[in-house]
Amino acid sequence: DIQLTQSPSFLSASVGDRVTITCRASQGVGSFLVWLQQKPGKAPKVLIYTASTLQSGVPSRFSGSGSGTEFTLTISSLQPEDFATYYCQQVHDYPRTFGGGTKVDVK
Amino acid sequence: EVQLVESGGDLVKPGGSLRLSCAASGFSYSNAWMTWVRQTPGKGLEWVGRIESFISGGTIDYAAPVKGRFTISRDDSKTTLYLQMNSLKTEDSAVYYCTTDDSKIWGQGTLVTVSS
Repeated sequence: DIQLTQSPSFLSASVGDRVTITCRASQGVGSFLVWLQQKPGKAPKVLIYTASTLQSGVPSRFSGSGSGTEFTLTISSLQPEDFATYYCQQVHDYPRTFGGGTKVDVK
Repeated sequence: EVQLVESGGDLVKPGGSLRLSCAASGFSYSNAWMTWVRQTPGKGLEWVGRIESFISGGTIDYAAPVKGRFTISRDDSKTTLYLQMNSLKTEDSAVYYCTTDDSKIWGQGTLVTVSS
């Protein structure tokens, strides 16, 4: 199985901050990586797919980059509604696997 | 509106059975490969299994922890996905989500609790 390691696991930030989350895969997944956002009590929601394509309706302050084994999610200017937990997921192979999550909290 | 709505979650005793349903609307369900994912506080998000569209062959794959106990099926005439769970264990307790295989569409989840 492909393991995904996210860092950091927890991040304290302020509104307006630039935030970067990293996801490393144990083997290459090409560009078959998805970034998800989850708020408490809600289902995950896709932000970015194929590593860098913004899902329709997602604000442009979110961006993704990377390929192979190293990927990055960047929030250019953190907004109040962005405090949430973020997950990466590889959709290259089965079983699909997820990173352990990065909780972005108020500093 | 594009939507997935799960139902069927409940409290069940170890060794028991439960069937979850996921009603799809607003997209081409018959062409979609569909997936079940579960989430627990301790283990995070965990892929349960996937069923291809029938036009793609309808192949079903399962995660190792549920293989032989869980069965995924679909009824395209009802645009509904199912998860039959047998021989339930306490570690199967989780919120269960149905999603499209590309993770672009998620349901709201349904809670399964396995406890005596």
